[in-house]
Amino acid sequence: KAGVTQTPRYLIKTRGQQVTLSCSPISGHRSVSWYQQTPGQGLQFLFEYFSETQRNKGNFPGRFSGRQFSNSRSEMNVSTLELGDSALYLCASRSGPNEKLFFGSGTQLSVL
Amino acid sequence: AQTVTQSQPEMSVQEAETVTLSCTYDTSESDYYLFWYKQPPSRQMILVIRQEAYKQQNATENRFSVNFQKAAKSFSLKISDSQLGDAAMYFCAYRSGNQGAQKLVFGQGTRLTINP
Repeated sequence: KAGVTQTPRYLIKTRGQQVTLSCSPISGHRSVSWYQQTPGQGLQFLFEYFSETQRNKGNFPGRFSGRQFSNSRSEMNVSTLELGDSALYLCASRSGPNEKLFFGSGTQLSVL
Repeated sequence: AQTVTQSQPEMSVQEAETVTLSCTYDTSESDYYLFWYKQPPSRQMILVIRQEAYKQQNATENRFSVNFQKAAKSFSLKISDSQLGDAAMYFCAYRSGNQGAQKLVFGQGTRLTINP
C-alpha cells in the first residue's frame, strides 16, 4: 500500500508569487491535514479536511488555503508569498477520527 | 490552549545504551492522546508510540517505552539498546480526544545522536 505522497519535494519561489502543493493520501484515507515546519516556530497545524470539508483550521493568515477533492487528494495554496513562508510543509492522512496519522515526506518551500 | 514542552534540545547516547527523552504538557482536558514521533533526515514523521490518557498502563513498542505520569503531565520516552538507526529528531505531540479538535500540538523536538 502506497504511503502519503507529496509533490513536489522541493520548490523555489520569489516573494509575491503564489504556490500550490499537492498531497495524495493513503488509499482509503478520507482525512488529510497539513502542517508547517520551520526552525523557529516548529511544527504548526494549518488545516484538516475530511470528505472535502474543512474540519479544523490553525492560526494562519487567509493567504493560506486548501481544498480536498472527491478522491481525497488535497492541495494547499499560499498566495502573495513572504520570506517567512519558507518552510517544510507536511501532509498527513488517516482513515478516521482517533486513528493513526501517517505523514508524507513533505515539500520544502524556499521563498527568495 | 494545550502546550507541549521538550526541555532537551539535544541528547546523545552510546550505541546499545538506554536514553530517556523528556516531555511535559499542559491541558485541562481529560480525554486526549500523546505521541512520540521520529523524524529522520528523510523528513518523514514516523509514529514511534502512542498513549491514550485513559489507559494507566504505559505503552511499549519493542525497544521503545513511555513513562506516562498523568497527574504530573509528564510523558517521557525510553529507548533501550540504542541503535544507529535511532538517530533522528524526536517530537512529543498531544491530540485532543474531542473529535472536532484533532490537530496535533508538537513540542520543539529533541535531536538524538547515537555514538558508535
